[in-house]
Amino acid sequence: AQSVTQLGSHVSVSEGALVLLRCNYSSSVPPYLFWYVQYPNQGLQLLLKYTSAATLVKGINGFEAEFKKSETSFHLTKPSAHMSDAAEYFCAVRAGYNQGGKLIFGQGTELSVKP
Amino acid sequence: GAGVSQSPSNKVTEKGKDVELRCDPISGHTALYWYRQRLGQGLEFLIYFQGNSAPDKSGLPSDRFSAERTGESVSTLTIQRTQQEDSAVYLCASSLAPGMGTEAFFGQGTRLTVV
Repeated sequence: AQSVTQLGSHVSVSEGALVLLRCNYSSSVPPYLFWYVQYPNQGLQLLLKYTSAATLVKGINGFEAEFKKSETSFHLTKPSAHMSDAAEYFCAVRAGYNQGGKLIFGQGTELSVKP
Repeated sequence: GAGVSQSPSNKVTEKGKDVELRCDPISGHTALYWYRQRLGQGLEFLIYFQGNSAPDKSGLPSDRFSAERTGESVSTLTIQRTQQEDSAVYLCASSLAPGMGTEAFFGQGTRLTVV
Protein backbone atom coordinates (compact mmCIF):
# COMPACT_ATOMS: atom_id res chain seq x y z
CA ALA A 1 0.00 0.00 0.00
CA GLN A 2 1.11 3.53 -0.65
CA SER A 3 1.69 6.20 1.97
CA VAL A 4 3.21 9.65 2.31
CA THR A 5 5.06 11.31 5.18
CA GLN A 6 5.67 15.04 5.33
CA LEU A 7 8.43 16.03 7.69
CA GLY A 8 7.59 19.16 9.63
CA SER A 9 4.05 20.36 10.18
CA HIS A 10 5.24 23.99 10.25
CA VAL A 11 8.05 25.62 8.32
CA SER A 12 8.96 29.28 8.63
CA VAL A 13 11.27 31.12 6.25
CA SER A 14 12.18 34.72 5.60
CA GLU A 15 11.10 36.43 2.41
CA GLY A 16 13.71 35.73 -0.25
CA ALA A 17 15.02 32.61 1.46
CA LEU A 18 15.00 29.08 0.09
CA VAL A 19 11.84 27.07 0.66
CA LEU A 20 12.28 23.33 1.29
CA LEU A 21 9.28 21.17 2.16
CA ARG A 22 10.03 17.50 2.68
CA CYS A 23 8.00 14.53 1.49
CA ASN A 24 8.84 10.85 1.65
CA TYR A 25 6.68 8.18 0.11
CA SER A 26 6.19 4.48 0.40
CA SER A 27 5.01 2.55 -2.62
CA SER A 28 5.35 -1.01 -3.87
CA VAL A 29 4.88 0.14 -7.45
CA PRO A 30 6.33 3.08 -9.39
CA PRO A 31 4.63 6.05 -7.78
CA TYR A 32 2.72 8.95 -9.19
CA LEU A 33 3.37 11.90 -6.87
CA PHE A 34 1.74 15.29 -6.49
CA TRP A 35 2.16 18.50 -4.56
CA TYR A 36 -0.91 20.59 -3.83
CA VAL A 37 -1.22 24.00 -2.18
CA GLN A 38 -4.15 25.18 -0.09
CA TYR A 39 -4.63 28.86 0.62
CA PRO A 40 -6.83 29.83 3.59
CA ASN A 41 -10.49 28.91 3.13
CA GLN A 42 -9.89 27.54 -0.35
CA GLY A 43 -9.70 24.16 -2.01
CA LEU A 44 -6.52 22.49 -3.15
CA GLN A 45 -4.62 23.62 -6.21
CA LEU A 46 -2.11 21.46 -8.04
CA LEU A 47 1.45 22.77 -7.91
CA LEU A 48 3.16 19.98 -9.81
CA LYS A 49 3.15 16.26 -10.45
CA TYR A 50 5.63 13.46 -11.11
CA THR A 51 4.55 10.84 -13.63
CA SER A 52 7.94 9.23 -14.42
CA ALA A 53 8.71 11.43 -17.43
CA ALA A 54 11.44 13.45 -15.70
CA THR A 55 12.84 13.34 -12.19
CA LEU A 56 12.98 17.13 -11.84
CA VAL A 57 9.51 18.56 -12.13
CA LYS A 58 8.74 22.23 -12.49
CA GLY A 59 5.43 23.60 -11.36
CA ILE A 60 3.58 26.83 -10.97
CA ASN A 61 4.69 29.87 -8.97
CA GLY A 62 8.38 28.96 -9.27
CA PHE A 63 8.16 25.70 -7.34
CA GLU A 64 9.90 22.52 -8.35
CA ALA A 65 10.37 19.04 -6.93
CA GLU A 66 12.88 16.28 -7.51
CA PHE A 67 11.96 12.61 -7.47
CA LYS A 68 14.69 10.53 -5.83
CA LYS A 69 13.91 6.85 -5.95
CA SER A 70 16.93 5.87 -3.84
CA GLU A 71 15.72 8.15 -1.05
CA THR A 72 11.99 7.60 -1.69
CA SER A 73 11.65 11.36 -1.57
CA PHE A 74 9.85 14.07 -3.49
CA HIS A 75 10.85 17.30 -1.75
CA LEU A 76 9.39 20.63 -2.85
CA THR A 77 11.66 23.64 -3.27
CA LYS A 78 11.54 27.25 -4.31
CA PRO A 79 14.71 29.38 -4.52
CA SER A 80 13.20 32.56 -3.13
CA ALA A 81 10.12 32.74 -0.95
CA HIS A 82 7.44 35.38 -1.44
CA MET A 83 4.91 36.49 1.12
CA SER A 84 2.21 35.10 -1.15
CA ASP A 85 3.64 31.59 -0.73
CA ALA A 86 2.28 31.38 2.81
CA ALA A 87 -0.16 28.47 2.69
CA GLU A 88 -0.60 24.80 3.53
CA TYR A 89 1.22 22.35 1.27
CA PHE A 90 0.24 18.73 0.77
CA CYS A 91 2.21 15.92 -0.80
CA ALA A 92 0.20 13.04 -2.23
CA VAL A 93 0.76 9.66 -3.86
CA ARG A 94 -1.74 8.04 -6.18
CA ALA A 95 -2.93 4.64 -4.98
CA GLY A 96 -2.96 1.70 -7.31
CA TYR A 97 -5.77 0.75 -9.66
CA ASN A 98 -7.08 -1.75 -7.12
CA GLN A 99 -7.63 1.17 -4.76
CA GLY A 100 -9.32 3.32 -7.38
CA GLY A 101 -6.34 5.54 -7.94
CA LYS A 102 -7.32 7.70 -5.01
CA LEU A 103 -4.86 10.29 -3.80
CA ILE A 104 -3.29 9.49 -0.44
CA PHE A 105 -2.20 12.68 1.29
CA GLY A 106 0.42 13.56 3.83
CA GLN A 107 -0.52 15.53 6.92
CA GLY A 108 0.46 18.81 5.33
CA THR A 109 3.08 21.44 6.03
CA GLU A 110 2.12 24.98 6.87
CA LEU A 111 4.54 27.46 5.36
CA SER A 112 4.96 30.87 6.98
CA VAL A 113 6.94 33.62 5.28
CA LYS A 114 8.39 36.40 7.42
CA PRO A 115 9.02 39.85 5.98
CA GLY B 1 -18.76 23.92 -15.52
CA ALA B 2 -15.20 25.15 -15.50
CA GLY B 3 -14.31 23.62 -12.16
CA VAL B 4 -15.57 21.40 -9.39
CA SER B 5 -18.48 23.07 -7.65
CA GLN B 6 -19.61 22.28 -4.12
CA SER B 7 -22.65 23.46 -2.25
CA PRO B 8 -23.36 24.78 0.22
CA SER B 9 -20.07 26.49 0.97
CA ASN B 10 -20.97 26.65 4.65
CA LYS B 11 -23.46 24.66 6.68
CA VAL B 12 -24.30 24.97 10.34
CA THR B 13 -26.53 22.25 11.70
CA GLU B 14 -27.77 21.06 15.04
CA LYS B 15 -26.50 17.82 16.49
CA GLY B 16 -28.73 14.96 15.43
CA LYS B 17 -29.91 16.52 12.17
CA ASP B 18 -29.19 15.07 8.74
CA VAL B 19 -27.19 17.04 6.17
CA GLU B 20 -26.64 16.67 2.46
CA LEU B 21 -23.56 17.99 0.70
CA ARG B 22 -23.45 18.35 -3.06
CA CYS B 23 -20.63 18.10 -5.57
CA ASP B 24 -20.73 18.93 -9.28
CA PRO B 25 -17.60 17.52 -10.94
CA ILE B 26 -15.89 18.79 -14.04
CA SER B 27 -17.78 17.66 -17.13
CA GLY B 28 -16.29 14.46 -18.54
CA HIS B 29 -14.55 13.44 -15.33
CA THR B 30 -15.55 9.89 -14.56
CA ALA B 31 -13.77 9.64 -11.21
CA LEU B 32 -15.05 11.48 -8.16
CA TYR B 33 -13.62 11.52 -4.65
CA TRP B 34 -14.80 12.79 -1.29
CA TYR B 35 -12.34 13.80 1.42
CA ARG B 36 -12.74 15.19 4.92
CA GLN B 37 -10.38 17.75 6.41
CA ARG B 38 -10.60 18.38 10.11
CA LEU B 39 -9.19 21.59 11.51
CA GLY B 40 -5.40 21.60 11.28
CA GLN B 41 -5.23 18.12 9.83
CA GLY B 42 -4.59 16.46 6.50
CA LEU B 43 -7.10 15.07 4.05
CA GLU B 44 -8.93 11.93 5.04
CA PHE B 45 -10.25 9.84 2.13
CA LEU B 46 -13.94 8.96 2.39
CA ILE B 47 -15.20 7.41 -0.85
CA TYR B 48 -14.37 7.02 -4.54
CA PHE B 49 -16.79 6.83 -7.46
CA GLN B 50 -16.07 5.57 -10.93
CA GLY B 51 -19.13 6.57 -12.90
CA ASN B 52 -22.06 5.92 -10.58
CA SER B 53 -20.53 2.95 -8.79
CA ALA B 54 -18.42 3.21 -5.66
CA PRO B 55 -15.62 0.65 -5.78
CA ASP B 56 -13.98 2.05 -2.66
CA LYS B 57 -16.03 3.13 0.34
CA SER B 58 -13.34 2.21 2.81
CA GLY B 59 -12.98 5.69 4.25
CA LEU B 60 -16.56 6.25 5.34
CA PRO B 61 -16.21 6.54 9.13
CA SER B 62 -19.57 5.05 10.12
CA ASP B 63 -22.90 3.91 8.72
CA ARG B 64 -24.20 7.44 9.31
CA PHE B 65 -22.24 8.44 6.22
CA SER B 66 -23.43 7.57 2.73
CA ALA B 67 -22.92 8.90 -0.77
CA GLU B 68 -24.38 8.46 -4.18
CA ARG B 69 -23.68 9.67 -7.66
CA THR B 70 -25.95 10.09 -10.63
CA GLY B 71 -24.25 8.79 -13.75
CA GLU B 72 -21.01 10.69 -14.25
CA SER B 73 -22.48 13.81 -12.77
CA VAL B 74 -23.56 15.14 -9.41
CA SER B 75 -22.69 13.40 -6.18
CA THR B 76 -24.25 13.88 -2.76
CA LEU B 77 -22.69 13.01 0.56
CA THR B 78 -25.24 12.48 3.30
CA ILE B 79 -24.49 12.49 7.00
CA GLN B 80 -27.30 11.26 9.20
CA ARG B 81 -27.73 12.14 12.87
CA THR B 82 -24.78 14.51 12.79
CA GLN B 83 -22.35 14.59 15.70
CA GLN B 84 -19.97 17.33 16.77
CA GLU B 85 -17.00 15.27 15.59
CA ASP B 86 -18.42 15.49 12.06
CA SER B 87 -17.49 19.18 11.99
CA ALA B 88 -14.93 19.56 9.22
CA VAL B 89 -14.43 20.78 5.68
CA TYR B 90 -15.68 18.24 3.16
CA LEU B 91 -13.79 18.38 -0.11
CA CYS B 92 -14.82 16.87 -3.40
CA ALA B 93 -12.44 16.18 -6.27
CA SER B 94 -12.82 14.81 -9.78
CA SER B 95 -10.43 13.48 -12.36
CA LEU B 96 -10.17 11.72 -15.64
CA ALA B 97 -9.82 8.03 -15.08
CA PRO B 98 -8.16 5.59 -15.04
CA GLY B 99 -4.90 7.31 -15.97
CA MET B 100 -2.68 7.22 -12.95
CA GLY B 101 -0.80 10.34 -13.87
CA THR B 102 -3.89 12.50 -14.08
CA GLU B 103 -4.39 14.96 -11.28
CA ALA B 104 -7.51 15.46 -9.25
CA PHE B 105 -9.22 18.83 -9.33
CA PHE B 106 -10.70 20.00 -6.07
CA GLY B 107 -13.74 22.06 -5.21
CA GLN B 108 -13.72 24.82 -2.61
CA GLY B 109 -15.20 22.56 -0.01
CA THR B 110 -18.20 22.65 2.30
CA ARG B 111 -17.46 23.77 5.84
CA LEU B 112 -19.77 21.82 8.14
CA THR B 113 -20.25 22.95 11.70
CA VAL B 114 -22.33 20.82 14.05
CA VAL B 115 -23.54 22.68 17.13
